Amino acid sequence: DAGITQSPRHKVTETGTPVTLRCHQTENHRYMYWYRQDPGHGLRLIHYSYGVKDTDKGEVSDGYSVSRSKTEDFLLTLESATSSQTSVYFCAISGGTPNTGELFFGEGSRLTVL
Amino acid sequence: AQSVTQLDSQVPVFEEAPVELRCNYSSSVSVYLFWYVQYPNQGLQLLLKYLSGSTLVESINGFEAEFNKSQTSFHLRKPSVHISDTAEYFCAVTPGASSSASKIIFGSGTRLSIRP
Repeated sequence: DAGITQSPRHKVTETGTPVTLRCHQTENHRYMYWYRQDPGHGLRLIHYSYGVKDTDKGEVSDGYSVSRSKTEDFLLTLESATSSQTSVYFCAISGGTPNTGELFFGEGSRLTVL
Repeated sequence: AQSVTQLDSQVPVFEEAPVELRCNYSSSVSVYLFWYVQYPNQGLQLLLKYLSGSTLVESINGFEAEFNKSQTSFHLRKPSVHISDTAEYFCAVTPGASSSASKIIFGSGTRLSIRP
């Protein structure tokens, strides 16, 4: 299994509070991604990173920011959580050799915003 | 733009029966195609993929999928399912020339439930 660790795995918070989710990888893969999973929507890309300090937006980036200061860590921050951000968040990595676009996923972080 | 359609949100089948999970895609460029499986309370993991070459690809646990370019489909099949196949299955497509997976598009998922 790919070495991807997400923390926390579960979090309950209140509307308006900041939340940071962490993704840590031990595979030295170049690309890292944050997705959210909601019933009926599959997985939707929030942000991704193609290197240290290099990030870009996905299709549902509003209300989220990310940072990548080291190859192994990719942080997702909700500056002011809203109930619409209640979801399961998955970190993924890609970029092995050969790179076929295959994604390796973490176990997920379930966030509930009350 | 790409899109992926999984035609069935839920598929109930009896154990040892055959199953087909349908996936259709649209894209103006050549693509890589994937099926991912998600067991309860876990992340997604790759089941099988089509990159090029033989249009029939197989997984280690008996699933297979066939790339049909003319019908833009990549249906997943298994001749005899087991209880352990209970999971949600996601079809995904990405441009073949992309080095990152940032352009990968996932279908909305098909929940496969196996009845004893």
